[in-house]
Amino acid sequence: GAGVSQSPSNKVTEKGKDVELRCDPISGHTALYWYRQSLGQGLEFLIYFQGNSAPDKSGLPSDRFSAERTGGSVSTLTIQRTQQEDSAVYLCASSLAGFTGELFFGEGSRLTVL
Amino acid sequence: EDQVTQSPEALRLQEGESSSLNCSYTVSGLRGLFWYRQDPGKGPEFLFTLYSAGEEKEKERLKATLTKKESFLHITAPKPEDSATYLCAVQAASGGSYIPTFGRGTSLIVHP
Repeated sequence: GAGVSQSPSNKVTEKGKDVELRCDPISGHTALYWYRQSLGQGLEFLIYFQGNSAPDKSGLPSDRFSAERTGGSVSTLTIQRTQQEDSAVYLCASSLAGFTGELFFGEGSRLTVL
Repeated sequence: EDQVTQSPEALRLQEGESSSLNCSYTVSGLRGLFWYRQDPGKGPEFLFTLYSAGEEKEKERLKATLTKKESFLHITAPKPEDSATYLCAVQAASGGSYIPTFGRGTSLIVHP
């Protein structure tokens, strides 16, 4: 497809389980971002990948969160030992390059931790 | 630290009733200010980029303007299909970080 693709669209898990969220960015986009959006809150930055550079992980809320980007394309966000406060919509976005600024978002992965 | 404050949090308009949304920002050198539209259950959709004070961009019933401290999104004669949450974001020019900082958004409802 032409847009950013995220999967799963919905994930319900039990507290303490690990989850993986996938993002397939727009082809040719070198920058990839993960944000988290909780009900009534703004977009909270998590992690940023730019080309082959080391990712900016400054927004990850704890060491239970990690992300990788393989081959400069697909990215996976992993949350280990999920907690109820991890419940949110996880949004992935890509852009041509970091400095271009205009982000193209996927539809998000809604995570519910019971 | 970059900060973005949007007001009002929520706005209800009658169809055809024009209004403006505000985005106030503090940033260490502005590279760009961005407006997005977000529909329920969807990801944000890019609308405009503004780079310098005095710049204006238009798209259909929407017009975005920029000063050194704030941006306005003017909605002229809105229609019910303009109902959405409008997000503002800023990207700093300094520090080499290209991570946009978002505001919490303004939820707009336009009644027919």
